[in-house]
Amino acid sequence: AQSVTQPDIHITVSEGASLELRCNYSYGATPYLFWYVQSPGQGLQLLLKYFSGDTLVQGIKGFEAEFKRSQSSFNLRKPSVHWSDAAEYFCAVGALTGGGNKLTFGTGTQLKVEL
Amino acid sequence: DGGITQSPKYLFRKEGQNVTLSCEQNLNHDAMYWYRQDPGQGLRLIYYSQIVNDFQKGDIAEGYSVSREKKESFPLTVTSAQKNPTAFYLCASRGLAEKNIQYFGAGTRLSVL
Repeated sequence: AQSVTQPDIHITVSEGASLELRCNYSYGATPYLFWYVQSPGQGLQLLLKYFSGDTLVQGIKGFEAEFKRSQSSFNLRKPSVHWSDAAEYFCAVGALTGGGNKLTFGTGTQLKVEL
Repeated sequence: DGGITQSPKYLFRKEGQNVTLSCEQNLNHDAMYWYRQDPGQGLRLIYYSQIVNDFQKGDIAEGYSVSREKKESFPLTVTSAQKNPTAFYLCASRGLAEKNIQYFGAGTRLSVL
């Protein structure tokens, strides 16, 4: 069964500083990997996705993530954080085939941005 | 505007009462999903449906029921058997060609009176 670990429950960064949110996954084959962002009281918005190919993927709002198979990681990065990036971030892994194409989510990382 | 509409935004349940959460999508997606979100626990899958008139239990289906009579609609009923229903409920949908990409509604917050 697939699983996702987001080891950091809360992270605080200063506006303009760089950001890295960690995500480790467990899956037997090549995974589909996603990062979603959630503002308070809202649904989830897709930031970026990895299916195959180039291991560095670009997303919306200036975010990027790098897939590292040897470390089973898919960390999210942003070079310069803006106050509007404060939100909760979820990493998810999807099965390639069958099983209803379900996603398994991590428990989330709450990002606080200090002005 | 294409998207997923969840209603109501806030819902209150009395003891012993069943309540139904609505989820409608106009994206022409075949698959739909219901998740429950509790603080610090991420999203947990309740039910999902890949085609009309068919649905499967997710990881935490006990105390919930669904129907899928129309492609656009996937309502979730929280029954009186669900003893701890207070949570944020999210509906999502996926097109068949979309490789696991799920799109989410804005959610319904359910509280117990």
